[in-house]
Amino acid sequence: KAGVTQTPRYLIKTRGQQVTLSCSPISGHRSVSWYQQTPGQGLQFLFEYFSETQRNKGNFPGRFSGRQFSNSRSEMNVSTLELGDSALYLCASSLGPGQDWAEQYFGPGTRLTVT
Amino acid sequence: GIQVEQSPPDLILQEGANSTLRCNFSDSVNNLQWFHQNPWGQLINLFYIPSGTKQNGRLSATTVATERYSLLYISSSQTTDSGVYFCAVERRNSGYSTLTFGKGTMLLVSP
Repeated sequence: KAGVTQTPRYLIKTRGQQVTLSCSPISGHRSVSWYQQTPGQGLQFLFEYFSETQRNKGNFPGRFSGRQFSNSRSEMNVSTLELGDSALYLCASSLGPGQDWAEQYFGPGTRLTVT
Repeated sequence: GIQVEQSPPDLILQEGANSTLRCNFSDSVNNLQWFHQNPWGQLINLFYIPSGTKQNGRLSATTVATERYSLLYISSSQTTDSGVYFCAVERRNSGYSTLTFGKGTMLLVSP
């Protein structure tokens, strides 16, 4: 079974621009979560989608948004990029709400650099 | 929110040595997971272990939920074990789950 895939793997953007990252979950997984990893803050939860609905959201500004499609693929968007948005963005998939939600499988990440 | 503390923060071992990594959490949890992050950033699932003990080759993990800690044992370490080990705990609240990560233990295994 193919793992979680994320595109692109690397991205360089300029302050003020916007960016869209994509995540394809493991086949059969319907929940997709996004995390931001930085050296200073570690791994922080951004949001989670299930059945095309955002179920939960972390403590991030409204510039961070996402969506999920009917095939469970998800995208996240960051508008008006700031230098502090430079990070590794990780996507994780799991079966869905319930006992198995926490058994999450991560993609390779998208490394975003904002200059 | 829940606090997850991992120790030690850094660990340097010679190949062949054994080690124990610890994860303490400040409140009751529904689930706990151990990950290994390789130098390329990929988080690899090691154990999904809300309680009890599991073993997978040279690695094993024990979670004592009532005492709010989990241990990851690495035996006969190899250079490929190098990387960062994360513990993450799940809490369910009002129908929603959140996964909170510790800051990790950075392991370097030298030949």
